Amino acid sequence: DAKTTQPPSMDCAEGRAANLPCNHSTISGNEYVYWYRQIHSQGPQYIIHGLKNNETNEMASLIITEDRKSSTLILPHATLRDTAVYYCIVRGFANAGKSTFGDGTTLTVKP
Amino acid sequence: GAVVSQHPSRVICKSGTSVKIECRSLDFQATTMFWYRQFPKQSLMLMATSNEGSKATYEQGVEKDKFLINHASLTLSTLTVTSAHPEDSSFYICSAQTGNTEAFFGQGTRLTVV
Repeated sequence: DAKTTQPPSMDCAEGRAANLPCNHSTISGNEYVYWYRQIHSQGPQYIIHGLKNNETNEMASLIITEDRKSSTLILPHATLRDTAVYYCIVRGFANAGKSTFGDGTTLTVKP
Repeated sequence: GAVVSQHPSRVICKSGTSVKIECRSLDFQATTMFWYRQFPKQSLMLMATSNEGSKATYEQGVEKDKFLINHASLTLSTLTVTSAHPEDSSFYICSAQTGNTEAFFGQGTRLTVV
């Protein structure tokens, strides 16, 4: 799996958009970008994934640069319950459960 | 998404005893399950991969005789920590997938060995 780099922490005001960056400059052509989050003392929660096109679901949007070397997870209207560690993972589509977790970004949403 | 349930969510055991943690896929059949361990303020580390009906594959540095994994059915995998010691205290998390679809994580089990 390709290595990812994320800022260790970010703050966001409640109600504002949270933009979480991820660098994955060594990503290969068949690797996807996945985002998970882990709220304290819980298992990781799947958020979204994409290959090269931007993706949106009910939780978030994923913007992948054209060269695919970086991506941004966008939480459009952050709430206090979005406070968590967010992990960006790059891997092939097969063996979806076998993920290499980095240190992630601790997002703190403040009132 | 699909639901993966772990039991127990918390367990405290005495040093030298064994503890079994269950991971169940509640509404789908999981051909493959994965076990992770997470120490405080650290990220998740993959311990092993288990396929239904076959032996688990352990990551480098994980003792297979200490962490026994059984995946006897398509909905259940168990992790047994044998002869537990305080350094085995950790947050254990499983994930389950079917085919190549997205995997889903359990809520985790907090093990404390005293």
